[in-house]
Amino acid sequence: KNEVEQSPQNLTAQEGEFITINCSYSVGISALHWLQQHPGGGIVSLFMLSSGKKKHGRLIATINIQEKHSSLHITASHPRDSAVYICAVYDNYGQNFVFGPGTRLSVLP
Amino acid sequence: GAVVSQHPSRVICKSGTSVKIECRSLDFQATTMFWYRQFPKKSLMLMATSNEGSKATYEQGVEKDKFLINHASLTLSTLTVTSAHPEDSSFYICSAPQGIKETQYFGPGTRLLVL
Repeated sequence: KNEVEQSPQNLTAQEGEFITINCSYSVGISALHWLQQHPGGGIVSLFMLSSGKKKHGRLIATINIQEKHSSLHITASHPRDSAVYICAVYDNYGQNFVFGPGTRLSVLP
Repeated sequence: GAVVSQHPSRVICKSGTSVKIECRSLDFQATTMFWYRQFPKKSLMLMATSNEGSKATYEQGVEKDKFLINHASLTLSTLTVTSAHPEDSSFYICSAPQGIKETQYFGPGTRLLVL
């Protein structure tokens, strides 16, 4: 079992749709990151969470520490949101980052 | 799957010394690698893009002379923190894209502590 799992692996949506990407993890963590990767580019860190909920523009991230689960929501999706979204957790025991496999999102106009 | 390694995983050094961090793609070639930094209790920050055979591209606000990047081969990029100071203490991560879809593979990170 991977330490960090994401679902779905691939997601195609129509412009304007509400999108949810899920992340579950099995290790003890001090923080969870949502990262965005555009084709050919590096990584943009969207959120860092240790509890509760954060909002930035059309993006919302939530985390439930007890259930070891986090979700990334995109409201009113747009083609420019097309990217790979990666969940990364900071493993307290190993003291390193553990990354999820990523969710590839395509938003069609 | 593709693997990216970093060395060392942890390093402690005295102020004023230089520290080299290596990032290797173990089973694939990478003409581009990325270096990130994480400040304590902060998100990751992209520092620079390392390009094999040419100069690195630095993000705004990152000192080129402070953080020297050399992409020596298609499987190795190095980040040298020159004349390190305590404020350089941080967690440094590299990543490399692989495959047609350029999926990013991340190194495990290097924790630097400058005393």
